[in-house]
Amino acid sequence: GENVEQHPSTLSVQEGDSAVIKCTYSDSASNYFPWYKQELGKRPQLIIDIRSNVGEKKDQRIAVTLNKTAKHFSLHITETQPEDSAVYFCADKTSYDKVIFGPGTSLSVIP
Amino acid sequence: KAGVTQTPRYLIKTRGQQVTLSCSPISGHRSVSWYQQTPGQGLQFLFEYFSETQRNKGNFPGRFSGRQFSNSRSEMNVSTLELGDSALYLCASSATVNYGYTFGSGTRLTVV
Repeated sequence: GENVEQHPSTLSVQEGDSAVIKCTYSDSASNYFPWYKQELGKRPQLIIDIRSNVGEKKDQRIAVTLNKTAKHFSLHITETQPEDSAVYFCADKTSYDKVIFGPGTSLSVIP
Repeated sequence: KAGVTQTPRYLIKTRGQQVTLSCSPISGHRSVSWYQQTPGQGLQFLFEYFSETQRNKGNFPGRFSGRQFSNSRSEMNVSTLELGDSALYLCASSATVNYGYTFGSGTRLTVV
């Protein structure tokens, strides 16, 4: 069925270190993979996305990589800062155009 | 450019009642999706509308319904409310079905 797994569920890193969150999807025809950041008490916000015809995309300190063969994609945050602390959700747009979210990763950046 | 507007922000209802939530998407956005967010279940897909047509529906009971109007505004309705329906209901809009969402601030529904 439609499912997006996301790991880890919680992640603590020291300020300045890198953070990596990985998601695995089940629909081999999925073609769009966005990432959202949700700060406490706020709405989710799109931070980066990647389409199935691209292997990697970068935007300043964040990057997303996609491995279609293994059906997984990852979010990489470098030089983490306290303001990066939030819950991060990956998502997958399936072949039926449903956008299914992963369960979220709570990232804490320790100053 | 105004963002996605959801009303009301907070609602308290009694079990058995019904409720209607409203969402006004960003001007020009024709796709509107609804999600239920709870601490234990994350973001659960409810439905998606595009040009007044429901394109997809999640795995929720028939008590949950929605519609989209010609101006792209959308409403969702929950009938015969249960305690488990207490959640943050988020609406998201996008220009087309192949672009990322802009979320509204949500409606916090509490069923007592």
